[in-house]
Amino acid sequence: DAKTTQPNSMESNEEEPVHLPCNHSTISGTDYIHWYRQLPSQGPEYVIHGLTSNVNNRMASLAIAEDRKSSTLILHRATLRDAAVYYCIPDQGAQKLVFGQGTRLTINP
Amino acid sequence: GAGVSQTPSNKVTEKGKYVELRCDPISGHTALYWYRQSLGQGPEFLIYFQGTGAADDSGLPNDRFFAVRPEGSVSTLKIQRTERGDSAVYLCASSLGGLTGYTFGSGTRLTVV
Repeated sequence: DAKTTQPNSMESNEEEPVHLPCNHSTISGTDYIHWYRQLPSQGPEYVIHGLTSNVNNRMASLAIAEDRKSSTLILHRATLRDAAVYYCIPDQGAQKLVFGQGTRLTINP
Repeated sequence: GAGVSQTPSNKVTEKGKYVELRCDPISGHTALYWYRQSLGQGPEFLIYFQGTGAADDSGLPNDRFFAVRPEGSVSTLKIQRTERGDSAVYLCASSLGGLTGYTFGSGTRLTVV
């Protein structure tokens, strides 16, 4: 199993970039890295996923280290609505996503 | 509907009773997942359906828990002889298959008293 490590919590200011780190040192070569986030009182929502190359979408960017042992989710300009728990999930080749504890992101106005 | 619908949104039941939790996935999504989330924890996988069949039920904690998806769309999670430890938010998600783009419902908050 790919062991995943994320900080328990992070704090940032509104309108500033946020870099959320994730270590997945035992990831295998074919495991995609998925990021989901969970806003208060809601189910998780998909953010982004990638394999080797950096990925961008309207919500965020995903920077994957060359050795794939770590990745960083980048929110380019945080808003108060980005306050959530962010989960980094290597898929381990299984047909299900296994969630860890995630990082609780607080955004200060 | 546009999203995954879960009913009821809240359920309070007495210890020992039977409960059913319903999930309406996005139309056309062949994969359906049930998760359970306790306070302060990440979602915990329970069971995964591909079509009508349970492809992976390794997360069901014991034989009091059972889930069905008879026509490959709506799914029901059934819990017999509920215990206080079953109290949690039960989340359902659906996808087109594979691991990309799960869409989760808002969950059913189950409280066993």
